[in-house]
Amino acid sequence: GAVVSQHPSRVICKSGTSVKIECRSLDFQATTMFWYRQFPKQSLMLMATSNEGSKATYEQGVEKDKFLINHASLTLSTLTVTSAHPEDSSFYICSARDWGTGGQPQHFGDGTRLSIL
Amino acid sequence: AQKVTQAQTEISVVEKEDVTLDCVYETRDTTYYLFWYKQPPSGELVFLIRRNSFDEQNEISGRYSWNFQKSTSSFNFTITASQVVDSAVYFCALSESRDDKIIFGKGTRLHILP
Repeated sequence: GAVVSQHPSRVICKSGTSVKIECRSLDFQATTMFWYRQFPKQSLMLMATSNEGSKATYEQGVEKDKFLINHASLTLSTLTVTSAHPEDSSFYICSARDWGTGGQPQHFGDGTRLSIL
Repeated sequence: AQKVTQAQTEISVVEKEDVTLDCVYETRDTTYYLFWYKQPPSGELVFLIRRNSFDEQNEISGRYSWNFQKSTSSFNFTITASQVVDSAVYFCALSESRDDKIIFGKGTRLHILP
């Protein structure tokens, strides 16, 4: 079945560091990927829609200069949290749409747990 | 605007009991998808079911069953003969056909007690 690989699964770093998270579709092409954030004991909130070859579309309230998204190929989208601070600590999870199956259901990565000290 | 409401924040039942997780949704689209996901403590999302808006048939998969009623905009999920391994957070979600964004409910934390 379709698999989405997310890397790293966990990262701990100091405040002020920039952190890059990768989301790869392993056996299908994903023209669109989505990035979600989940704070402890809360729901998943959509941050942005990542489109291959074009700029990402950010949800209201999400700082595009802080959360840089690059979708340079049909199988890879990256989310960079720039100058991360403790309040950015969260669980980040991506999903990808496989148009070969009509785009549904989306396939989720296993998530990245980001801890900023 | 699309919205998913899971009124039950947390539920605890004793093993082998049946439990129903409620989900009510709002959408202006006539074409949409409804989902249920399971999120165990490890954090990954486990896809359970997808139902499109034109298919109101109820579905059963083993101990899991889903009741979709467009008249009440509900998509409830029942686990029969619950097991400890069913303990997790369960999310109901909605996706409209126009943009495929998935909007999640706040989740129901289910505790199955031995």
